[in-house]
Amino acid sequence: GNSVTQMEGPVTLSEEAFLTINCTYTATGYPSLFWYVQYPGEGLQLLLKATKADDKGSNKGFEATYRKETTSFHLEKGSVQVSDSAVYFCALPLYNQGGKLIFGQGTELSVKP
Amino acid sequence: DTEVTQTPKHLVMGMTNKKSLKCEQHMGHRAMYWYKQKAKKPPELMFVYSYEKLSINESVPSRFSPECPNSSLLNLHLHALQPEDSALYLCASSQDRGYTEAFFGQGTRLTVV
Repeated sequence: GNSVTQMEGPVTLSEEAFLTINCTYTATGYPSLFWYVQYPGEGLQLLLKATKADDKGSNKGFEATYRKETTSFHLEKGSVQVSDSAVYFCALPLYNQGGKLIFGQGTELSVKP
Repeated sequence: DTEVTQTPKHLVMGMTNKKSLKCEQHMGHRAMYWYKQKAKKPPELMFVYSYEKLSINESVPSRFSPECPNSSLLNLHLHALQPEDSALYLCASSQDRGYTEAFFGQGTRLTVV
């Protein structure tokens, strides 16, 4: 079946540290892959996306590469800021189920000054 | 404009009340979604509307009744809810059923007393 596995949190980092949040997926075919971010008390915002193998999505200093051979889409940022504190969700859409998004469990990131 | 607008932001209702959640988008998207999110969990799909017709109902109890009056609006009618229905209700839209990314609203924080 289709699934997304995400590293568990919470993750606590100091400002300017390097961030990696692991995400692996199981899917039929080659769906698009997304990272969403949820700031406290808010809805989800699309952070970045990749639509095919070897695509690199990037936004606001975050990057993720769609790796077909390892079925992974790990999120990275070279230097985190306090304002990056949020919950991050990896997700894939199921085209044969109306575009239903399958989410990972979410990783809570806390960045300390 | 990549905005999905949800009202109200907060709602407290008794178990015998009837209330409605509203969602609006003006991006010309033809797929709209309701998700439910409990604390510290990823969103879970409730309903999918495609071209204003209900295409997916994830076995949601009948006390939740969705409605899509036109291509820009999506409502969720609530009646006789239970305290365990308290959650963040998120509306989302996408160009066409998962072939492109979904954009989420800020959500309605519902408390059932």
